[in-house]
Amino acid sequence: GAVVSQHPSRVICKSGTSVKIECRSLDFQATTMFWYRQFPKQSLMLMATSNEGSKATYEQGVEKDKFLINHASLTLSTLTVTSAHPEDSSFYICSARQPGTEAFFGQGTRLTVV
Amino acid sequence: AQSVTQLDSQVPVFEEAPVELRCNYSSSVSVYLFWYVQYPNQGLQLLLKYLSGSTLVESINGFEAEFNKSQTSFHLRKPSVHISDTAEYFCAVSDRFSGGYQKVTFGTGTKLQVIP
Repeated sequence: GAVVSQHPSRVICKSGTSVKIECRSLDFQATTMFWYRQFPKQSLMLMATSNEGSKATYEQGVEKDKFLINHASLTLSTLTVTSAHPEDSSFYICSARQPGTEAFFGQGTRLTVV
Repeated sequence: AQSVTQLDSQVPVFEEAPVELRCNYSSSVSVYLFWYVQYPNQGLQLLLKYLSGSTLVESINGFEAEFNKSQTSFHLRKPSVHISDTAEYFCAVSDRFSGGYQKVTFGTGTKLQVIP
């Protein structure tokens, strides 16, 4: 199947700093990418949907100024957690798809804010 | 709006025993259904999916799931589990749209623990 690579797999940052997470589709062009967050013992919650070249659509309750999403090319989307706080510590996963296909998931990024 | 219910948060089962992980969904439109598996400290992997056609779908590692429209269920089964099946399993649903798959709604997950 198609490969989606997410980087970094783990990151620790200080409170108040920003962290960027990359999501790349390695062998296909991803017209749509999704960003999810998974809290401990909970399911994945969709944060936002991004289409290449346009602004991301955020789910209700997700602060778009805090979680900046850029989908500048058909193979790369980035999620930047700005002014991170300990409550932002979570497991972030991206997925990518082409029209007519299922979404393929990245390996996830474990963010710890100290 | 869609929702997915996985009633069992944890399912312990002895090795080589059968297992069923339950999943029920609700949606006002026709759906695609998925099971994903997440091994410790890893991302999600698609285990199997129902799009159309036969209501019984199988994975390459012995799991199967049956779409039951009248009961709005998509339970996952395996006749004989292995230690390596220990993982968390997520049931998911997506509306059918002409443009292809749309966003996916996940259940809360079921942790399968296979006991030697």
